Amino acid sequence: DIVMTQSPDSLAVSLGERATINCKSSQSILYSSNNENYLAWYQQKPGQPPKLLIYWASTRKSGVPDRFSGSGSGTDFTLTISNVQAEDVAVYYCHQYYDLRTFGQGTKVEIK
Amino acid sequence: EVQLVESGGGLVQPGGSLRVSCAASGFTFSDSAIHWVRQASGKGLEWVGRIASKGNSYATKYPASVKGRFTVSRDDSKNTAYLQMNSLKTEDTAVYFCTRDSSGWGPLDNWGQGTLVTVSS
Repeated sequence: DIVMTQSPDSLAVSLGERATINCKSSQSILYSSNNENYLAWYQQKPGQPPKLLIYWASTRKSGVPDRFSGSGSGTDFTLTISNVQAEDVAVYYCHQYYDLRTFGQGTKVEIK
Repeated sequence: EVQLVESGGGLVQPGGSLRVSCAASGFTFSDSAIHWVRQASGKGLEWVGRIASKGNSYATKYPASVKGRFTVSRDDSKNTAYLQMNSLKTEDTAVYFCTRDSSGWGPLDNWGQGTLVTVSS
């Protein structure tokens, strides 16, 4: 199974600052035939289901604010939240869909 | 608007069985793969199975943790998917979400609100 490891487990960011969440896969999730990374990011607020933010590692879902961005390739990926807002308080998960499905353990983002 | 509504959760004894349902609307259900993901209280997300569309032969996949105990099925005529859970263990206690994969092997782009399954004596 592909293991997804996120860091840090939690972080506190001041309003308007940048939050950076890392995700590392135990093997490459870059599919050579289409040059796509099979990696998504989700946001989950308390009492709600997860919400898709980013897919194919860097494609923002329609309607997601552009302060959310994804980057990386192969085994190392990053979710960046620029200009953090109060409504961004949530747990963020990375998710690989290259081989079966696995999720990272989650990163909790709080306001400092 | 895409909607996924789970139902059928509840309390079941260890070793027992339960079937939860996922009613879909707002999209062409038969064209999408449906996945189930669970979340124990205060914990992270765990994928527990998938059923592909008719075009992909209704193929199913499961992780090792539930293979042989859980079965995902669907009835396209009712726009409904099911998760049959047998030989339940206390560690299966979780909120179970159904989710849609509209491309067939892509991200989980819509989620239901979840249904709580509690396995306890």
